[in-house]
Amino acid sequence: QKEVEQNSGPLSVPEGAIASLNCTYSDRGSQSFFWYRQYSGKSPELIMFIYSNGDKEDGRFTAQLNKASQYVSLLIRDSQPSDSATYLCAVKGMDSNYQLIWGAGTKLIIKP
Amino acid sequence: NAGVTQTPKFQVLKTGQSMTLQCAQDMNHNSMYWYRQDPGMGLRLIYYSASEGTTDKGEVPNGYNVSRLNKREFSLRLESAAPSQTSVYFCASSFGTGNEKLFFGSGTQLSVL
Repeated sequence: QKEVEQNSGPLSVPEGAIASLNCTYSDRGSQSFFWYRQYSGKSPELIMFIYSNGDKEDGRFTAQLNKASQYVSLLIRDSQPSDSATYLCAVKGMDSNYQLIWGAGTKLIIKP
Repeated sequence: NAGVTQTPKFQVLKTGQSMTLQCAQDMNHNSMYWYRQDPGMGLRLIYYSASEGTTDKGEVPNGYNVSRLNKREFSLRLESAAPSQTSVYFCASSFGTGNEKLFFGSGTQLSVL
C-alpha cells in the first residue's frame, strides 16, 4: 500500500525563523509532490508543487525533493503568525492518473 | 467568483437515513472529486469524475453513490448513513485529472448518530 507520512506536530517555530516541514513517501516511482495549506475549519489550498526533476522556490516558500531518501520538504522562511496552519503533503504516483496519496498533515504554530 | 460551492455546511443524520451532498463549480473544470477527511488521516478519495458523463471509484467508495449531473455539478449520495460515515466531506475540482491543482469547496461536517 502506497503511503505518505508526516509528523502530526504541532511544530512550534518563532516568528521570523525558518519552518521546516517534511513528508516521506513509499512509492519510489512517484512523479509529483504537492503541499497544501489548511487553516483550522477551512479547506485545503495549494501552496506549491514540484516534479521529480527539481526543487522550487516561490517567495518565502521552498519545496525540496530528496529522491534517494524518498522525502520532500517545505521550507517557510521569515515565518509569520499567518503561516500557522496544517500543511498537507500529497504525492502522485507514476501509475495513477487521478489519485493523490495524502499525508495526515503537520500542524505548524508560529509564535509571535 | 464563487469557485467550488458545496452544500450543506453541516448535517446531522440518524443511522439509516439518506442524504445528498451537492457540489457545483463555475471554473469550467473537467474533473471533480469527493474526498472525506478524518482526524489523523489523510484525505481519502471517495469518487471522482474525470469528465462530464463519467464517474469512477476512488479509495473508499463503499456506502456512497455519485452523479455527475452536468459539467458544473457533482453530487454525493449516502443511501443509508452509518456512524462510520461521520466525517468532513470536501468536493474539489481541477481542469483535468492530470492537473493536481485542486480547488476545494468549503466542506460539509456530517455527523451520523
